[in-house]
Amino acid sequence: DGGITQSPKYLFRKEGQNVTLSCEQNLNHDAMYWYRQDPGQGLRLIYYSQIVNDFQKGDIAEGYSVSREKKESFPLTVTSAQKNPTAFYLCASNTGGTNEKLFFGSGTQLSVL
Amino acid sequence: GNSVTQMEGPVTLSEEAFLTINCTYTATGYPSLFWYVQYPGEGLQLLLKATKADDKGSNKGFEATYRKETTSFHLEKGSVQVSDSAVYFCALSDQWSSASKIIFGSGTRLSIRP
Repeated sequence: DGGITQSPKYLFRKEGQNVTLSCEQNLNHDAMYWYRQDPGQGLRLIYYSQIVNDFQKGDIAEGYSVSREKKESFPLTVTSAQKNPTAFYLCASNTGGTNEKLFFGSGTQLSVL
Repeated sequence: GNSVTQMEGPVTLSEEAFLTINCTYTATGYPSLFWYVQYPGEGLQLLLKATKADDKGSNKGFEATYRKETTSFHLEKGSVQVSDSAVYFCALSDQWSSASKIIFGSGTRLSIRP
């Protein structure tokens, strides 16, 4: 089945630790996105990428980093500089074009120990 | 920068009531507008969309019209059902940059009483 796979489902971070969230898609979509979902704040855009080896900062990129070495993969690293990392993280890919539509993964819940 | 503002929830209605969830936006250029829905225990999925002014998106009895003059994209349904209980997100896509930047509103939780 085609879709977006995020892993792990739950992740715990210790103080000062960097953690990486995985996002893989087999939909052959060019564009991919990372969002953070906090209660009452909706989805906020962290980073997005239109093509391999290119990505742009979203509205809340500080404390996060990404890479896009393969079309299928868009991992997100939550660095120690992100002081409030506890949130639900959603990855998405975009069909693009005039009929653009986002497909979302099932998310990763990150908590701080 | 671009932004999306939704009415705050939660919204609680009785079955068969009329629903309106307000959404207004700020954007340069001519964005596409979307409503996404998150049912309990499920991921976000597209509900409907409109790509230009005066377009009406519709799906599952829901409708929204792209109003450029009022920068709005309000979601409506004439008769809600218990199964419509979910969180609804308004979103816009800015295709004027090199990549399509898609931003969301804060979401509105809808609960329908039987």
